[in-house]
Amino acid sequence: DADVTQTPRNRITKTGKRIMLECSQTKGHDRMYWYRQDPGLGLRLIYYSFDVKDINKGEISDGYSVSRQAQAKFSLSLESAIPNQTALYFCATSIEIGQGVETQYFGPGTRLLVL
Amino acid sequence: AQTVTQSQPEMSVQEAETVTLSCTYDTSESNYYLFWYKQPPSRQMILVIRQEAYKQQNATENRFSVNFQKAAKSFSLKISDSQLGDTAMYFCAFLNYGGSQGNLIFGKGTKLSVKP
Repeated sequence: DADVTQTPRNRITKTGKRIMLECSQTKGHDRMYWYRQDPGLGLRLIYYSFDVKDINKGEISDGYSVSRQAQAKFSLSLESAIPNQTALYFCATSIEIGQGVETQYFGPGTRLLVL
Repeated sequence: AQTVTQSQPEMSVQEAETVTLSCTYDTSESNYYLFWYKQPPSRQMILVIRQEAYKQQNATENRFSVNFQKAAKSFSLKISDSQLGDTAMYFCAFLNYGGSQGNLIFGKGTKLSVKP
């Protein structure tokens, strides 16, 4: 079984709809992240969480919200989807070792199309 | 703010040959990590190799090795004996050591095609 899973893998929605993307991990990591990938722009950070009670905005958080339901679960919501939120969304996890931050491991991605 | 630049949008190489992908970065930090991730058509982000900035020795993972030049802020990836399965997008990424944010800063990627 995959260590980091994302559901759904693909989603088509309409402008104005609320949708949720879910991420679960079995790696036992404390830190979880949501990234967005657009063609030609690489990945950009939306939100991140260092533990269940810690939620932080990333570079491009406008239009998104998150929920850390448990150490292993981190959900991303689009309250009112718009077409320019069409992208590939990745969840990632990592563990902190000492003062450093360990390698981030990515889920398989969710491809979202907003019509 | 840190930035990562990959100057080669696309590259191609013949099977069994060697190819080098370039990456430069800009930072005022002295302690950090650098990574190369591979994204095949399946779109999964797969870690290829990582380098800690405090280590002078270049990292190696089987056919993959890096040339880390800290003073020049350069971090290139060499793929030896290229295989068809190496066809993918390759992303260089920077991570500040001990940073409060802890997120990766990605370059825009290099699309590598391995030809038979």
